[in-house]
Amino acid sequence: NAGVMQNPRHLVRRRGQEARLRCSPMKGHSHVYWYRQLPEEGLKFMVYLQKENIIDESGMPKERFSAEFPKEGPSILRIQQVVRGDSAAYFCASSPPAGFNYGYTFGSGTRLTVV
Amino acid sequence: AQSVTQLGSHVSVSEGALVLLRCNYSSSVPPYLFWYVQYPNQGLQLLLKYTTGATLVKGINGFEAEFKKSETSFHLTKPSAHMSDAAEYFCAVRPYNYGQNFVFGPGTRLSVLP
Repeated sequence: NAGVMQNPRHLVRRRGQEARLRCSPMKGHSHVYWYRQLPEEGLKFMVYLQKENIIDESGMPKERFSAEFPKEGPSILRIQQVVRGDSAAYFCASSPPAGFNYGYTFGSGTRLTVV
Repeated sequence: AQSVTQLGSHVSVSEGALVLLRCNYSSSVPPYLFWYVQYPNQGLQLLLKYTTGATLVKGINGFEAEFKKSETSFHLTKPSAHMSDAAEYFCAVRPYNYGQNFVFGPGTRLSVLP
């Protein structure tokens, strides 16, 4: 039973390009969460999704960032027109439907560097 | 809004010494409480969690934490530090309401000195 799979592990983009980060949840998990970790900081919540639904996007920047979790395939975090300040580690986590009293299972993260 | 504070962004202990990492939360209703560990360039791994029941919870790698409602605390301890314990430790809370996201503390970096 594979864990949460994120790819790529490392991503380098030039300013103005688009970044696409993928997350495949654990088998049986239908809830996906995206967090961002800036250097020397803790994790900040971005968005919570279920299949085909965004449940809570209160942590998402209003512009350039979007997320989806289609019926088939991985969850995608998309950052358009990246800027240097977007450089961070982006972590995906998943939980089962009744997972409110469980800890998340985290992926290993995607480290985005904007040059 | 929920918040989590971790006293000490960096803690150093000698190998074999007691490890104590502090976590306090602000909430009118005790939430679910978690400790995660992050090794360099890796994701977060769940160490232990408190949901209901016994307030002293044991986790992996010899760690344990005690929920103290009166102090709104959930401090993490380990009797004897090992070099392999050097990592970043995050305390997190999650409200009882299903579907709410986690709130993480800023993290404490633990260094273990030989």
